[in-house]
Formats: sequence, structure tokens, C-alpha cells
Amino acid sequence: EPEVTQTPSHQVTQMGQEVILRCVPISNHLYFYWYRQILGQKVEFLVSFYNNEISEKSEIFDDQFSVERPDGSNFTLKIRSTKLEDSAMYFCASRGGSTGKGTDTQYFGPGTRLTVL
Amino acid sequence: QKEVEQNSGPLSVPEGAIASLNCTYSDRVSQSFFWYRQYSGKSPELIMSIYSNGDKEDGRFTAQLNKASQYVSLLIRDSQPSDSATYLCAVTTDTGRRALTFGSGTRLQVQP
Repeated sequence: EPEVTQTPSHQVTQMGQEVILRCVPISNHLYFYWYRQILGQKVEFLVSFYNNEISEKSEIFDDQFSVERPDGSNFTLKIRSTKLEDSAMYFCASRGGSTGKGTDTQYFGPGTRLTVL
Repeated sequence: QKEVEQNSGPLSVPEGAIASLNCTYSDRVSQSFFWYRQYSGKSPELIMSIYSNGDKEDGRFTAQLNKASQYVSLLIRDSQPSDSATYLCAVTTDTGRRALTFGSGTRLQVQP
């Protein structure tokens, strides 16, 4: 069964450093998402991406964050200058078509645990 | 502010019993409703989706939706210790982007 993959599984970085989290969505999916989950807290939406542009972003997704689809398979989240409070699990998700109930489902990758020291 | 509320638990049930998990949401234009299961340190895994009022059954799981009361629930029949996890309720409201708004989850413990 197709699945979303993410690399690395765990990233440790120093405060102020740039990190890039990578995702390979399910191949025929059109919509891509990043969420984060701080330890012990709820899963929070960061950004959605469709047709090579951001379609929605939350207030968390400030100028320190950017997303890119550099080729036909990868989807990346870059944090330019990491802060201690960026420490969290980052989940990539993808979903299939544009409309229709059956295409609503978002499938999540295994996540990248980001630790900022 | 869109809110999805869940009792954090833990909800403890004996093996073989029915577990009932509840969720309320604040945005009346919510359209799609999902239950995800999350094991500790893992990603959310889809259990059920529901879009219309009423019940939807899939194996041991039944999702129930009442849009008038802004309430969605998940019943797990014949609960197993392997069902012990945090259950996340999630809703979407937008027609295109469909960002998920999650509740904080209910931790379920199934006692052998």
C-alpha cells in the first residue's frame, strides 16, 4: 500500500541553525500538508500546498518557515533559524483529489522528531 | 477560532467491552470528520471518516455524527489491549484546502 515517507526520523540541531525536513507524499496525491505536534500537545496545522503554491497557512507558519516541492516527488519544510520552541514532531500528510468525499482523507507520514538545543 | 474538544481521559475499559469516545466541534460549517488513532511517538493513523448524519460502521468501529448537536463519536466494540492508544478527532471545514483541526485526543486504556 502506498505511504507517505519522511526523512530524517530524528533531527538534532543547534538553536539558530537551518533545518530541512523532507517528505515524499503518495505519488498520485495533489494536496500536501505539514503539521507539528509539540510533546504532549495537539497536532497543529502549519501549511497546505497545492499546484506548486501555498494554499493556506496558520499563524504558526511565520517567515522562518518555507515549503518547497523541488521535484515531482519531494516536499520539504525549511526552518531558517530554529528556536527552542520549534522542538516538536513534524508530520507530512498528503491527500488525493480535489473534491469528493472519498478524496478528503489525509494520510500521514511517520514524522520527523526535531530537537533544538 | 475553530475548536475541537475531547475529554483527555484516560478512558479505561476492560477487554471485550465497548469503548465510547466523544468529540464536539465549534464551527457549524464543518463538513468532514475523522477519527485517527495515535500510538505514543507515532503518527496519526486514520480509523474512520464520516460526512453525513447518522452511523457509519467499519468492523469493530462505529462513527456517529450529529451535526445539529455538533457532536461526533467513535464506538469500539470488543475492545482489545492493542486498541490502547490516543484517539484524535479531526474536522475540516474548507472546500478546497481542507486543513485538519485536531482535538487534543482521548487516551484509551484497555485492561486485559
